[in-house]
Amino acid sequence: DGGITQSPKYLFRKEGQNVTLSCEQNLNHDAMYWYRQDPGQGLRLIYYSQIVNDFQKGDIAEGYSVSREKKESFPLTVTSAQKNPTAFYLCASSIQADPSTDTQYFGPGTRLTVL
Amino acid sequence: SQQGEEDPQALSIQEGENATMNCSYKTSINNLQWYRQNSGRGLVHLILIRSNEREKHSGRLRVTLDTSKKSSSLLITASRAADTASYFCATGSLSPASKLTFGTGTRLQVTL
Repeated sequence: DGGITQSPKYLFRKEGQNVTLSCEQNLNHDAMYWYRQDPGQGLRLIYYSQIVNDFQKGDIAEGYSVSREKKESFPLTVTSAQKNPTAFYLCASSIQADPSTDTQYFGPGTRLTVL
Repeated sequence: SQQGEEDPQALSIQEGENATMNCSYKTSINNLQWYRQNSGRGLVHLILIRSNEREKHSGRLRVTLDTSKKSSSLLITASRAADTASYFCATGSLSPASKLTFGTGTRLQVTL
């Protein structure tokens, strides 16, 4: 899982609560990403950030929010507006020096369960 | 949206056999990458092939890319029980740079 950490590993939330998932990297990467993975499915992009203080919506941003105040940190907040938040959440980062060869490094994931 | 569709969804082989997984995609790409995911873990990058390349090797891995058919294949030779995992293709977009779109994955089971 390289130099990317995610916490907590497991998270339980009651309906109507907001929760924040942590993602930290010490790889000095410019770009960071948040994905959602449902059982037996591929990854879907929630938000990504190519530089500090800037981020863009991915394919399924509704009900989520992010911030990128520091290069090494990209927290994801799952809000009460997200109707089906139970999933496995993965954070990734990339150098982004050469787009044709840029690869992503993933954290170990956070499994969120709504009770 | 998911760009890639992988085939088969699941594959079961015996140790020592070769495993082939296929990926099809819909739009023009910058590159195509393969990742591996062990159950309940994060993804690990395996190999990247650029859009102007046709074949690439890395150890027991061989990747091909056919941009005219919008398809790629991943071959794992002489498979081992430790290769048991899910394998995902991901296409790198032309714009914005570095954005990946993942396929649905192939679940590989290698038995002794």
